[in-house]
Amino acid sequence: DQQVKQNSPSLSVQEGRISILNCDYTNSMFDYFLWYKKYPAEGPTFLISISSIKDKNEDGRFTVFLNKSAKHLSLHIVPSQPGDSAVYFCAASSTGYQKVTFGTGTKLQVIP
Amino acid sequence: NAGVTQTPKFQVLKTGQSMTLQCAQDMNHNSMYWYRQDPGMGLRLIYYSASEGTTDKGEVPNGYNVSRLNKREFSLRLESAAPSQTSVYFCASSELRGVDTQYFGPGTRLTVL
Repeated sequence: DQQVKQNSPSLSVQEGRISILNCDYTNSMFDYFLWYKKYPAEGPTFLISISSIKDKNEDGRFTVFLNKSAKHLSLHIVPSQPGDSAVYFCAASSTGYQKVTFGTGTKLQVIP
Repeated sequence: NAGVTQTPKFQVLKTGQSMTLQCAQDMNHNSMYWYRQDPGMGLRLIYYSASEGTTDKGEVPNGYNVSRLNKREFSLRLESAAPSQTSVYFCASSELRGVDTQYFGPGTRLTVL
């Protein structure tokens, strides 16, 4: 039972354009969401997070949007840069839980 | 400040062999985690330790054991390796459990023949 789903295994975007990565979840108890970025042969690194009390969080070129009614979140990268090429994992947790549930990842390729 | 370190980086085992993957963190974090990453499966939690002295099963614990040796170190043991355990293993730590940001090690690529 995949509680956090990233339905697009890969995405290609031209440099300078917007990248939109999507994530859906099924567990209504999730109230905290994170995005991690992973380069080949390295561990994932934290990128940005959002609490369920917000519907948007920005950090520089990265913005995460949360639609609680649709159980959907998205990561926007504007403008996309070649260095953004990586695998992006969506993750979800709940206050009081001891664990985080990760999605299957989306591989982003930014074409120069 | 090395963050989270893992040894070894690569390992090849034969079916039935045993080995221990080592993980250490120098951030004084309370919680530590072991994940495996497989193609199309994302990161799946094997075991975690919410605090020193406690360990709990994650999503895919079968075939593994763990030891939280002290606050810094959390090891993962494969008693009798199977080809299905071929994977990339990541250790992570966080200051608090659950919603807190996790910091990952560089991973161990394990192949079981």
